[in-house]
Amino acid sequence: AQSVTQLDSHVSVSEGTPVLLRCNYSSSYSPSLFWYVQHPNKGLQLLLKYTSAATLVKGINGFEAEFKKSETSFHLTKPSAHMSDAAEYFCVVNPTGTASKLTFGTGTRLQVTL
Amino acid sequence: GAVVSQHPSRVICKSGTSVKIECRSLDFQATTMFWYRQFPKKSLMLMATSNEGSKATYEQGVEKDKFLINHASLTLSTLTVTSAHPEDSSFYICSASSGQETQYFGPGTRLLVL
Repeated sequence: AQSVTQLDSHVSVSEGTPVLLRCNYSSSYSPSLFWYVQHPNKGLQLLLKYTSAATLVKGINGFEAEFKKSETSFHLTKPSAHMSDAAEYFCVVNPTGTASKLTFGTGTRLQVTL
Repeated sequence: GAVVSQHPSRVICKSGTSVKIECRSLDFQATTMFWYRQFPKKSLMLMATSNEGSKATYEQGVEKDKFLINHASLTLSTLTVTSAHPEDSSFYICSASSGQETQYFGPGTRLLVL
């Protein structure tokens, strides 16, 4: 069985400061891991994905995430937050590497202040 | 690439009527499509998985006679909410996959049943 834990339901940062959104997972297999972002009343947009290639994954809009197997973590980071980054972020696991049921984290709401 | 559209983006209907929501993959062939429901400030709940030309697989607790899913082509899946009631009001999101691990999400449909 697989699970995803997003350790913070809400994160607030000042514009221009670093962002860290934490995600831990458990999976019986070698999973594919994703971060999606959802702006209010919108669908989910893929930020980045890890599929057993490089452990440091670069995504869109300056985000990146590092897969750490020993810590079962896949934290999302960005060096400098922008106001437009304010949104809900979901860490997601696909255990099989195919088009199958995803396991979602509960989400982290990122607030960016001036 | 990998764009998924949904139509309509918002719909208001009377209790007892049926509503059809379309999900289209615009630039790829979606062998598998997924339908999710999202409650306010919550993560996504998978309702069903549909493979082109096959019957949908519903998650436990989802009424298949109430939420009719059709995936007649590689670019189109539809969700019909039959005899809608106020408790069916929600944000419905589809996703599509070409058979690999990444799902691409539509922008969502806000359903309000009066």
